[in-house]
Amino acid sequence: DVQLVESGGGLVQPGGSLRLSCAASGFNFREHYISWVRQAPGKGLEWVATIRLEGYDLCYVDSVKGRFTISRDNAKNSAYLQMNSLRVEDTAVYYCAKWRIGGIEYWGQGTPVTVSS
Amino acid sequence: QSALTQPPSASGSAGQSVTISCTGTSSDVGAFNYVFWYQQHPGKAPKLIIYEVSERPSGVPARFSGSKSDSTAFLTVSGLQFEDDADYYCASYAGAGDLVFGGGTRLTVL
Repeated sequence: DVQLVESGGGLVQPGGSLRLSCAASGFNFREHYISWVRQAPGKGLEWVATIRLEGYDLCYVDSVKGRFTISRDNAKNSAYLQMNSLRVEDTAVYYCAKWRIGGIEYWGQGTPVTVSS
Repeated sequence: QSALTQPPSASGSAGQSVTISCTGTSSDVGAFNYVFWYQQHPGKAPKLIIYEVSERPSGVPARFSGSKSDSTAFLTVSGLQFEDDADYYCASYAGAGDLVFGGGTRLTVL
């Protein structure tokens, strides 16, 4: 079975940093795009970033460009989201997600990030 | 990267049918046959119920169906059951690894 397990969330002050991790299993990790998607409390889903197969092609939503960096380690079946210069509005549950052609197929259970002083 | 437009709420009685719309643009929904629909129950991760406009993953009941016309996609739930009471989100590929989501529709089964 496909499994995506996120970790690394927590409470951080505005301007701080966090690194989220996503451990994948149950599929050939190196053959699939990975995205991070977030959901603010009581709000809808927002795509954050996507990393393609070898990690050289990266896409970000405008609101995180220059602050967040997505990466992957195919040897470890893992993906990461480095979040710097965090803002209150970045508070959300962050989901790691696996693509099939054209979109997201599987989701992890999410890790909560709270940015507050 | 503008969000797709969904009605905030929809409802129907058990056994009836309901259709939820998802309106995008010629750069996303209108450009690609990569419209996905997700079901999310409170406190849970989203679950894929429709991919590539109208395809159902294994295990998803046939009462869920999808379609598209120009830049608007539709999710129809036939024979509503109480477990269908949930939030529903559409998403569309927007090129180069970009995705755009709808704002979500709260479906209430009466």
